[in-house]
Amino acid sequence: DAGITQSPRHKVTETGTPVTLRCHQTENHRYMYWYRQDPGHGLRLIHYSYGVKDTDKGEVSDGYSVSRSKTEDFLLTLESATSSQTSVYFCAISVSGGEKLFFGSGTQLSVL
Amino acid sequence: GNSVTQMEGPVTLSEEAFLTINCTYTATGYPSLFWYVQYPGEGLQLLLKATKADDKGSNKGFEATYRKETTSFHLEKGSVQVSDSAVYFCALRPGNTDKLIFGTGTRLQVFP
Repeated sequence: DAGITQSPRHKVTETGTPVTLRCHQTENHRYMYWYRQDPGHGLRLIHYSYGVKDTDKGEVSDGYSVSRSKTEDFLLTLESATSSQTSVYFCAISVSGGEKLFFGSGTQLSVL
Repeated sequence: GNSVTQMEGPVTLSEEAFLTINCTYTATGYPSLFWYVQYPGEGLQLLLKATKADDKGSNKGFEATYRKETTSFHLEKGSVQVSDSAVYFCALRPGNTDKLIFGTGTRLQVFP
């Protein structure tokens, strides 16, 4: 267990509402990532962070924002959820960027 | 750009059969290559990696060789078990980034 906790584990919400997913780590790793997993697309990077308040976009960042005010927490926010954002969201951490990633158990998000 | 292409699944095998899952990549520079495995209901975990051409990564009876001339990193196992049933993801880390880019995943089903 790499000490990663994602919350909530499941969420159902309505179109147009804001949603925040939380990733918490106890490993003090520098790098944190948010991916979404969809059938036929594998895992796609949404945003990642390389330090407190240091973040960068991934390949599918539109409609998402992130914040990292503490080393241990990385928040993913859907400003106004849409049905296309129904997915399984995974957080991952890494000691050195892009090398061995440790993944959380995922958050299943359904936007109705 | 950087991308990973995996063979479509599912791959269905009988126990003790030989496994090959094909993976090819497109990348700038000198990427590192990875195989991750996802068991049902869990996040991904690193299976093996190779960081330069002709390196062979191996773990739990699985192996893959970094072939620069064919831009491939095929996963092989000599004798699969029912417990190997999972989704396998090929991934690359471009040489100049902190990001990990995943393929679409290949589901392996092993029957007794």
